[in-house]
Amino acid sequence: GAVVSQHPSWVICKSGTSVKIECRSLDFQATTMFWYRQFPKQSLMLMATSNEGSKATYEQGVEKDKFLINHASLTLSTLTVTSAHPEDSSFYICSASSKGLAYEQYFGPGTRLTVT
Amino acid sequence: KQEVTQIPAALSVPEGENLVLNCSFTDSAIYNLQWFRQDPGKGLTSLLLIQSSQREQTSGRLNASLDKSSGRSTLYIAASQPGDSATYLCAVVPDKLIFGTGTRLQVFP
Repeated sequence: GAVVSQHPSWVICKSGTSVKIECRSLDFQATTMFWYRQFPKQSLMLMATSNEGSKATYEQGVEKDKFLINHASLTLSTLTVTSAHPEDSSFYICSASSKGLAYEQYFGPGTRLTVT
Repeated sequence: KQEVTQIPAALSVPEGENLVLNCSFTDSAIYNLQWFRQDPGKGLTSLLLIQSSQREQTSGRLNASLDKSSGRSTLYIAASQPGDSATYLCAVVPDKLIFGTGTRLQVFP
């Protein structure tokens, strides 16, 4: 149980284009989803927290107009990187919680984004 | 601002050794602490969760301890195996997960 999937697992896009990453909870309802980014050999940094049906809460320093998060249902959240630049290349990981608890998160396998 | 540090950053050991991974945090006002495992290019798997009122948790060959007052946690891995090779992350929870820098472990046969 408690499986979280991400799609795609990797994506390459050209600078200036937008790319959407999906995060799905497969066998439970996720009231809260979290989005992280991880640079090579660095730890995970929380980007934003989203509750179903509400606007996402972004961490300090994360541009909400650049990283659009939608959590339209209890099983799906999407992260759209708009007008991507090479510095946005990173590993993006989502997680989901059925109880909205920070310490009960189930992590997806991650999406490797490369912007050329 | 809460900062989480892990030592060592990397560790390479022969199979069978007992290991200790260290995690330190600057603010003792945490709700709990978690240890995760991350395989290369993959997501995270939760290994152990220690509530702030607890001192340790055990799962199989893994034992994690927590000393809130000193801002430290250790992850003990007994009889290490090549399959234990991964990056180990600790994370503390005030209101969100704050991750440490990780320890990359390689266990060779």
